[in-house]
Amino acid sequence: EPEVTQTPSHQVTQMGQEVILRCVPISNHLYFYWYRQILGQKVEFLVSFYNNEISEKSEIFDDQFSVERPDGSNFTLKIRSTKLEDSAMYFCASKPRLTGVASNQPQHFGDGTRLSIL
Amino acid sequence: LAKTTQPISMDSYEGQEVNITCSHNNIATNDYITWYQQFPSQGPRFIIQGYKTKVTNEVASLFIPADRKSSTLSLPRVSLSDTAVYYCLVGENNAGNMLTFGGGTRLMVKP
Repeated sequence: EPEVTQTPSHQVTQMGQEVILRCVPISNHLYFYWYRQILGQKVEFLVSFYNNEISEKSEIFDDQFSVERPDGSNFTLKIRSTKLEDSAMYFCASKPRLTGVASNQPQHFGDGTRLSIL
Repeated sequence: LAKTTQPISMDSYEGQEVNITCSHNNIATNDYITWYQQFPSQGPRFIIQGYKTKVTNEVASLFIPADRKSSTLSLPRVSLSDTAVYYCLVGENNAGNMLTFGGGTRLMVKP
């Protein structure tokens, strides 16, 4: 079964440094998402992306965050100047294009990147 | 987005059937009900989705009464490996729609 893959599985970065988290969505999917989960807390939406632009973003997704689909397969999340509170699991998700009346496809998640800011 | 309420935790034993109920009193006409499972240090994994009545797949069944104000995820004959957090989500399944996760139900399966 196709999977969303994320790299690295664990990233340790000094506060203030830039970090790029990488995701390879399922190949025929067209909608892409980033979520995060701080240890012991809920999964939180960050941003959705379609047709090379952001569809929706949350309050968490401020100017320090950006997303990009640099080629036909990768989808990246960049944090420009990391803060201690950015430490979390970051999950990428993807979803196929909706077609037809019964267009109720779920989002499929990767296993995340654990980001640790020192 | 419809708010959901589900038990914080449940305990069960291997081989038992587990039913987790989720309340969503303000569900809208276009909303679907979706359940995800999450193991520690892994991403949420889609289990099942439905709109009304009953849906069954190889993993679980989802029961939705006529008023759609609640739903019940049924896991037949659980094993230790079913120990996880189970999330009930309600919302339109449109293209860019974000998922809003609550706290989920932490299911502990004991031997």
